[in-house]
Amino acid sequence: GAGVSQSPSNKVTEKGKDVELRCDPISGHTALYWYRQSLGQGLEFLIYFQGNSAPDKSGLPSDRFSAERTGGSVSTLTIQRTQQEDSAVYLCASSYSSYSYNEQFFGPGTRLTVL
Amino acid sequence: SQQGEEDPQALSIQEGENATMNCSYKTSINNLQWYRQNSGRGLVHLILIRSNEREKHSGRLRVTLDTSKKSSSLLITASRAADTASYFCATARGANSKLTFGKGITLSVRP
Repeated sequence: GAGVSQSPSNKVTEKGKDVELRCDPISGHTALYWYRQSLGQGLEFLIYFQGNSAPDKSGLPSDRFSAERTGGSVSTLTIQRTQQEDSAVYLCASSYSSYSYNEQFFGPGTRLTVL
Repeated sequence: SQQGEEDPQALSIQEGENATMNCSYKTSINNLQWYRQNSGRGLVHLILIRSNEREKHSGRLRVTLDTSKKSSSLLITASRAADTASYFCATARGANSKLTFGKGITLSVRP
């Protein structure tokens, strides 16, 4: 079946603009995770959803970052007033449930470049 | 902040040799997982070991866990050029908690 998909694959934006990144998880997976990967910081957890609720948002770096999930499926990560330090690859993963023994399946990522 | 720290940061070996990668972590964990990443994009899950396990095998992979030393190792036997990738350890502190990743090890397998 289809894996996790993310769009766009690449996004170039100007500083101060808002961006939306989309994640389509594997059908039937109730848990969805967002991570960010950059050269300086490595792989950082941002937020995860169980169904439509987000039990852990502790990784969101500032209030410019928000995420939502609707219908227990698609999730959107929104970054408002982008800054150059937001440049990174944003990875989405889904798993059968949020039970940590469940394997997380990752999408190919969205490479965000803020000029 | 990073929970796991892998070493070495980079490893270059000849095809057919074994590759050993180590990971250390700071707090108690529920389980530890290893992931592989090709070309800086999506990660692929390799193996999971629970805190009450000491060793696990999967094909050419062998992972060990020493909770007293807060460390794990991943051994890839009979390496192939296709094993060239970045490898990350990730820890989960609880049964329903996020994964915290280390900075990764870059493995190069020369044909």
